[in-house]
Amino acid sequence: EPEVTQTPSHQVTQMGQEVILRCVPISNHLYFYWYRQILGQKVEFLVSFYNNEISEKSEIFDDQFSVERPDGSNFTLKIRSTKLEDSAMYFCASSHPGTGNTIYFGEGSWLTVV
Amino acid sequence: AQTVTQSQPEMSVQEAETVTLSCTYDTSESDYYLFWYKQPPSRQMILVIRQEAYKQQNATENRFSVNFQKAAKSFSLKISDSQLGDAAMYFCAYTYISSGSARQLTFGSGTQLTVLP
Repeated sequence: EPEVTQTPSHQVTQMGQEVILRCVPISNHLYFYWYRQILGQKVEFLVSFYNNEISEKSEIFDDQFSVERPDGSNFTLKIRSTKLEDSAMYFCASSHPGTGNTIYFGEGSWLTVV
Repeated sequence: AQTVTQSQPEMSVQEAETVTLSCTYDTSESDYYLFWYKQPPSRQMILVIRQEAYKQQNATENRFSVNFQKAAKSFSLKISDSQLGDAAMYFCAYTYISSGSARQLTFGSGTQLTVLP
């Protein structure tokens, strides 16, 4: 069964450093997402992406965040200058309107900022 | 704004028994989807079941079924014949239908399900 893949599975970074989280969405999907989950809390929406542009973004997705689809398969989340409070699990997800917009998640990238 | 509420932070069930997890939501949209996702200790988000709001029939997936009450904005998950592998955090989620754009999922706060042997 097709799946969303994410790399790295775990990354530790120094505060202030830039981080890029990578995702390969399901190949025929058109909509791409990033969500995050701080330990012990609910899953929060960050951003959605369609047709090479941001569709929606939350208040969390401020200027330190950016997304890019550099080629036909990858979808990346960049955090420019990480803060301690950015420590969380980051989930990439994708969906296709033909499947009722069911959103399929990757296994997550666990980011620890020290 | 849409909200999703799960009022049971924790539930437990005896193996082979049935358990129902509650979810309510608030929306002004008429067309939308509701989901239950399971998050085991590995923290992966796994789709359990999906319900389209325009369908009156409740969705079922093997041992998992929902009770969808559109007027009451209620969407509960029933797990029959519970197994040890069902132990996880369960999240209820909502998204509304809009063609041509990606719409976010709104999640509830989750219900931690423990299955007792």
